[in-house]
Amino acid sequence: QVQLQESGPGLVKPSETLSLTCAVSGYSISRSYFWGWIRQPPGKGLEWIGSLFHGMSTYYNPSLKGRVTMSVDTSKNHFSLRLNSVTAADTGVYYCGRHSANMLASGVVNWGQGALVAVSS
Amino acid sequence: QSALTQPPSASGSPGQSVTLSCAGSSSDVGGYNYVSWYQHHPGKAPKLVIYEVTKRPSGVPDRFSGSRSGNTASLTVSGLQAEDEAHYHCSSYAGNNNLVFGGGTKLTVL
Repeated sequence: QVQLQESGPGLVKPSETLSLTCAVSGYSISRSYFWGWIRQPPGKGLEWIGSLFHGMSTYYNPSLKGRVTMSVDTSKNHFSLRLNSVTAADTGVYYCGRHSANMLASGVVNWGQGALVAVSS
Repeated sequence: QSALTQPPSASGSPGQSVTLSCAGSSSDVGGYNYVSWYQHHPGKAPKLVIYEVTKRPSGVPDRFSGSRSGNTASLTVSGLQAEDEAHYHCSSYAGNNNLVFGGGTKLTVL
């Protein structure tokens, strides 16, 4: 059974960089599937941040392009998110997830429990 | 503002059916067979209940069904149960390697 767990600082100062890691167990992320990040600002809906397919493709939400970078560490079986120049609008719960197929368009079938990140000085 | 439009709230009594809508455009919902629906209880991880417009993942009760008409997708929950009370989010592939979500609908079981 695939399990995901987000980790990282819960508080980030404005203009700094938000960094989160998603540890995956039960499946090698280098084998297959798209792996992604989704967030939910307080009181709002979900927002796709980006997804990657190891060794081949990384795609980002156009509204965040230029600020977001995703990467994979196969030795630790985890993938990471970096979001630069954060503002209060980046506050929210950040989820990592596994898409159900080798397509970006496929639904996210496995989710982490979420990591609450607040942007505040 | 979310790319897809969902009503903020919906409600139904136990045993009834309720249909939630997700309005998009020909560039997303109407243009691709990749609409997903997620059930989200507060404080928990979202759960995929419908993918590719009408398909149910293994383990999701057949009380949950998906459909689409034009640029609007729908999720119908039949035989409402107390545990169905949750937020429901729709998402769609929007072309150009982009995914979009709706603002979510809070479903209340009366």
